[in-house]
Amino acid sequence: KQEVTQIPAALSVPEGENLVLNCSFTDSAIYNLQWFRQDPGKGLTSLLLIQSSQREQTSGRLNASLDKSSGRSTLYIAASQPGDSATYLCAVGMIKAAGNKLTFGGGTRVLVKP
Amino acid sequence: GAGVSQSPSNKVTEKGKDVELRCDPISGHTALYWYRQSLGQGLEFLIYFQGNSAPDKSGLPSDRFSAERTGGSVSTLTIQRTQQEDSAVYLCASSLEGRTTEAFFGQGTRLTVV
Repeated sequence: KQEVTQIPAALSVPEGENLVLNCSFTDSAIYNLQWFRQDPGKGLTSLLLIQSSQREQTSGRLNASLDKSSGRSTLYIAASQPGDSATYLCAVGMIKAAGNKLTFGGGTRVLVKP
Repeated sequence: GAGVSQSPSNKVTEKGKDVELRCDPISGHTALYWYRQSLGQGLEFLIYFQGNSAPDKSGLPSDRFSAERTGGSVSTLTIQRTQQEDSAVYLCASSLEGRTTEAFFGQGTRLTVV
């Protein structure tokens, strides 16, 4: 059974510092990995989707890497801003599962202090 | 529509009553998923629809839960004889097709069973 872990569970940084969020998964038979952002009381906003054949994806200040063989992904957010405060979730789509059924990590709650 | 739309946004119901939650996916998306987000449980998969194929119901927690998707578009999740443990945020997601495409989530329905 796939298990997805995100460490740390919570992170507090001063504005301007780079953020590094970690995601690990136990079964490397994945189709893709997706990073989401969730604001309190809201749904999930997709940030980046990395296919299993890719090593990284970039969007603006966000960069996500994927090392499928070691079961790891890292989300980097450059020059953090207070507006980046949210919970960040990673999720993997499994080859053995139907469609793109996602298995989620528990999330990392980020606070960027002005 | 512009995004995945869910209604109602909040629902309070008495224990034992039936509830219906609605999801309107992004136009043209053939894949639709329901997830549940509970305190302390994280996000868990409930059910997956892909086109006209039989749905993957492997995540439904009991036979009190059912879902249908009419005309390949709008989906309704029904919970019969609600219990307090059903209290959670129910999230719907859609994607262009199955395996490799990005999942987009709605804002969720917060269900409270009293």
